[in-house]
Amino acid sequence: EAGVTQSPTHLIKTRGQQATLRCSPISGHTSVYWYQQALGLGLQFLLWYDEGEERNRGNFPPRFSGRQFPNYSSELNVNALELEDSALYLCASSLGGLSTDTQYFGPGTRLTVL
Amino acid sequence: DQQVKQNSPSLSVQEGRISILNCDYTNSMFDYFLWYKKYPAEGPTFLISISSIKDKNEDGRFTVFLNKSAKHLSLHIVPSQPGDSAVYFCAATGRRGNSGNTPLVFGKGTRLSVIA
Repeated sequence: EAGVTQSPTHLIKTRGQQATLRCSPISGHTSVYWYQQALGLGLQFLLWYDEGEERNRGNFPPRFSGRQFPNYSSELNVNALELEDSALYLCASSLGGLSTDTQYFGPGTRLTVL
Repeated sequence: DQQVKQNSPSLSVQEGRISILNCDYTNSMFDYFLWYKKYPAEGPTFLISISSIKDKNEDGRFTVFLNKSAKHLSLHIVPSQPGDSAVYFCAATGRRGNSGNTPLVFGKGTRLSVIA
């Protein structure tokens, strides 16, 4: 069974540009989560989608947005990139919509903003 | 304001000995706790969890202990093996009624090095 996949592996952008990161959950999983791991910090919760709807949002500015498609894959968009957006962005999926459902993580997308 | 704290950034242990990783939390609404392990260039993988109705959960070499009064949990690895060398993240969540949709809150992680 394929795990959570993310693309691209690495992404280099300049300040002010937009970045789009993609995530495909494990087959059968309806929930997708996005996390940011900046250098020296733990995983910071960004967004949670379940059944196509945004269920929860972390303490990030509105220029971080996303969506979940009918096939449950998801996209994270970061507009007006700032240097401090440089981080590893991790996507996770779970079977259902409960916070206690085990989350399975992808390998991440390393975003570098120059 | 860090709700989940892992105060030791790193830990070195001899192969075969016990590894003890610690985690403290401040939010009394948290009632479910997890440990994840992360190797370089890979996403975190789920290791073990514990509900607040228990004070101990065991899975093979891994045991998690929860002390609710102290708001403290620990992960014990016995015996430690070189393959256990990784970053370990503690995470916590709380259920809101039946919706259960509070997100996981992670600590900053502890890097464990098991020396052969």
